[in-house]
Amino acid sequence: AQTVTQSQPEMSVQEAETVTLSCTYDTSENNYYLFWYKQPPSRQMILVIRQEAYKQQNATENRFSVNFQKAAKSFSLKISDSQLGDTAMYFCAFMKRTGNQFYFGTGTSLTVIP
Amino acid sequence: KAGVTQTPRYLIKTRGQQVTLSCSPISGHRSVSWYQQTPGQGLQFLFEYFSETQRNKGNFPGRFSGRQFSNSRSEMNVSTLELGDSALYLCASSVGVGGDQPQHFGDGTRLSIL
Repeated sequence: AQTVTQSQPEMSVQEAETVTLSCTYDTSENNYYLFWYKQPPSRQMILVIRQEAYKQQNATENRFSVNFQKAAKSFSLKISDSQLGDTAMYFCAFMKRTGNQFYFGTGTSLTVIP
Repeated sequence: KAGVTQTPRYLIKTRGQQVTLSCSPISGHRSVSWYQQTPGQGLQFLFEYFSETQRNKGNFPGRFSGRQFSNSRSEMNVSTLELGDSALYLCASSVGVGGDQPQHFGDGTRLSIL
């Protein structure tokens, strides 16, 4: 079975500062994908970043980057130059390479303070 | 290109009734998955369909059922509604199956049980 753990229920950051959201997971799979999704009050789940487990290089998307430690089963998200629009729930998720089912963490509520 | 469309956006029902929710995937997408989101349980997987076949089912009682039509649109049905069924129901679509397939979420249906 796959489990995803987000140990920070709530976080806050000053506008323009950097914040890191933590995520750990457990799996016996060797090939899989990891994701960070953002869910603003509008409810729609928006993909922030995706990491393929067989790629050692950490994924980056503009102000968003991850620190993927496969041996430690850790997948943290760093948001640089935080903006007010980054305020949302952030979910870490796991998917097997051949599957189509997400395993989600419990989420971290991020507030960006002006 | 239109996104994933879920209807209705809001629904109020009473205990014991049944409800049908609809999800229209992005044109060309053949895979649809459903998730239940509650404050207490987070995001939990319900079903996954590909080309009208249910590939996977989450750990939910038999009151929860679903299907996919030949045009890839999917419906889920919940019978004998209980208070605990109050949740945001999200669907996601993708072209095919696998973690390398970008998943697109709809805005969800908010179901409230009185």
